[in-house]
Amino acid sequence: QKEVEQNSGPLSVPEGAIASLNCTYSDRVSQSFFWYRQYSGKSPELIMSIYSNGDKEDGRFTAQLNKASQYVSLLIRDSQPSDSATYLCAVQINYGQNFVFGPGTRLSVLP
Amino acid sequence: EPEVTQTPSHQVTQMGQEVILRCVPISNHLYFYWYRQILGQKVEFLVSFYNNEISEKSEIFDDQFSVERPDGSNFTLKIRSTKLEDSAMYFCASSEAGAPRTGPQHFGDGTRLSIL
Repeated sequence: QKEVEQNSGPLSVPEGAIASLNCTYSDRVSQSFFWYRQYSGKSPELIMSIYSNGDKEDGRFTAQLNKASQYVSLLIRDSQPSDSATYLCAVQINYGQNFVFGPGTRLSVLP
Repeated sequence: EPEVTQTPSHQVTQMGQEVILRCVPISNHLYFYWYRQILGQKVEFLVSFYNNEISEKSEIFDDQFSVERPDGSNFTLKIRSTKLEDSAMYFCASSEAGAPRTGPQHFGDGTRLSIL
């Protein structure tokens, strides 16, 4: 059974702070990793993809991947109230295959 | 920016009836997917489709479900005899065939299916 785990939250941070979201996955051969944002009642919206160990930065977002620890994280710098949403970690094991989603972490950024 | 479009946005159906959910994937994408999300729960994979055939399906995708690509643009999910537990948001997604990996999956806005 392929599993992706996330803390369900809610994670509350003050505006301007760094939000740190974590994800672990069970299948060691997983190749591709994604972070999606989902507002209530809406569809998942791609934030970042990461495929290699290390950090990947895109604006206020940094994804970190550690395949040896089977761990992927997302940092959001200078958090804004508009960042308040559920953040979904998704893992793809092989080319073209489906994503396995975690349950999501609900983030609340307090003004 | 190209996007995945889904219709209808909301479908209300009596239990036992058939429903067809429609999707138009991004035009140059070759991999298509259906997922569902029951209210308050995680996104669950149903089926993937490539080269005009199912490439993978989950345990949820039983005999009451089917998918079809009737023409060059549409991708449909049919539920033959709906049950109360089929009530969920259904998302269509597509991705391009890159190398050495497929691209991220882009999701449509979803169809909220309500079974009465």
